[in-house]
Amino acid sequence: GDSVTQMEGPVTLSEEAFLTINCTYTATGYPSLFWYVQYPGEGLQLLLKATKADDKGSNKGFEATYRKETTSFHLEKGSVQVSDSAVYFCALSQGGSEKLVFGKGTKLTVNP
Amino acid sequence: DSGVTQTPKHLITATGQRVTLRCSPRSGDLSVYWYQQSLDQGLQFLIQYYNGEERAKGNILERFSAQQFPDLHSELNLSSLELGDSALYFCASSVPLDRVGSPLRGYTFGSGTRLTVV
Repeated sequence: GDSVTQMEGPVTLSEEAFLTINCTYTATGYPSLFWYVQYPGEGLQLLLKATKADDKGSNKGFEATYRKETTSFHLEKGSVQVSDSAVYFCALSQGGSEKLVFGKGTKLTVNP
Repeated sequence: DSGVTQTPKHLITATGQRVTLRCSPRSGDLSVYWYQQSLDQGLQFLIQYYNGEERAKGNILERFSAQQFPDLHSELNLSSLELGDSALYFCASSVPLDRVGSPLRGYTFGSGTRLTVV
């Protein structure tokens, strides 16, 4: 079945550091890809998405590019802030079913 | 406020008991999804309803059941509870991604129900 693998955490960075969280997927067909963020005590919020190969999703300074050749969707941000501390989930969905398949999540802590 | 309302926020119950979790989707969303989040399993898809009908089923135990009512709210029923059922249960709602004008938001999650089985 479809699956998502993302880098193990936790990740600890200093403010203004560069962030990369790796995500690769296994799926039949052409899934849509997502990054969700979960702040402490809250539900998941959609951060960005890409629906076809070579699409770049971006939001709030975060970016990820849908790479079909490497089946990857790595999350990047050039300069993290303390407020970015959260758990980040990579996910995919197949258009027909719409359900999301999530990676296990990566906890990011940004120190001032 | 995401627009998806889940009640209760916290629930503590004993093994063998039965509980019902409730979800009201965002206005206009026809699909409701239930997910279980635990430390060891991560986020697991349980079940999806679309406009009152079951649409997709994931790793949902036979002790668990769900339904979506005509007003589109959904309930997840968990019975014969075991210690291992302790988890966060999330509900999400959505519009189809390919709908014209579909916003970035895609799926909207509620803040979850934390179930503790003792």
